[in-house]
Amino acid sequence: GAVVSQHPSRVICKSGTSVKIECRSLDFQATTMFWYRQFPKQSLMLMATSNEGSKATYEQGVEKDKFLINHASLTLSTLTVTSAHPEDSSFYICSARNRPPVAGYTFGSGTRLTVV
Amino acid sequence: SQQGEEDPQALSIQEGENATMNCSYKTSINNLQWYRQNSGRGLVHLILIRSNEREKHSGRLRVTLDTSKKSSSLLITASRAADTASYFCATVLPTGTASKLTFGTGTRLQVML
Repeated sequence: GAVVSQHPSRVICKSGTSVKIECRSLDFQATTMFWYRQFPKQSLMLMATSNEGSKATYEQGVEKDKFLINHASLTLSTLTVTSAHPEDSSFYICSARNRPPVAGYTFGSGTRLTVV
Repeated sequence: SQQGEEDPQALSIQEGENATMNCSYKTSINNLQWYRQNSGRGLVHLILIRSNEREKHSGRLRVTLDTSKKSSSLLITASRAADTASYFCATVLPTGTASKLTFGTGTRLQVML
């Protein structure tokens, strides 16, 4: 089945630094990937839609200069949290839509970001 | 916001009992999906039901969809301790090329031995 690999699973960084999270589709090509943010015991909130070869589409309220998304190939999308602050600490998850006839979307295992 | 509401927020049952979770949403949809999330992990797709379908089964899972009430339910029969997780419904709108998912608030299910 479809597999989405997300790295790192956990990262701790200092305030003011940048962190890059990678999301790879291992056995299929994903022209579109999605990035979500999840706070403890809460639902997933879509941050942006990552389109291969073009600019990402950000949801309302998400700072595009803060959360840089690059989708340079059909199997790799990256999310870079720039100038991180403690309030950016969260669980970030990527996903890609499965190719028919497989239904639904495949999610990465998530990245726990802690900014200290 | 399209985000759905799920109830209950938390559910605790004994192993062997059935668990029912409900999801309501606000606008027309193309399909509705249910996902499971173990603590600190990604989501796993469970089942998809299209807007023209009313009921679907997959193993111990039964999903219903009532588009007139904009609601769906997920029933897990004969629950097991391993079913302990958070369950989310997610909708896909009928238009747009991105087909992005909009998640409900989730139900935390605990199945006790």
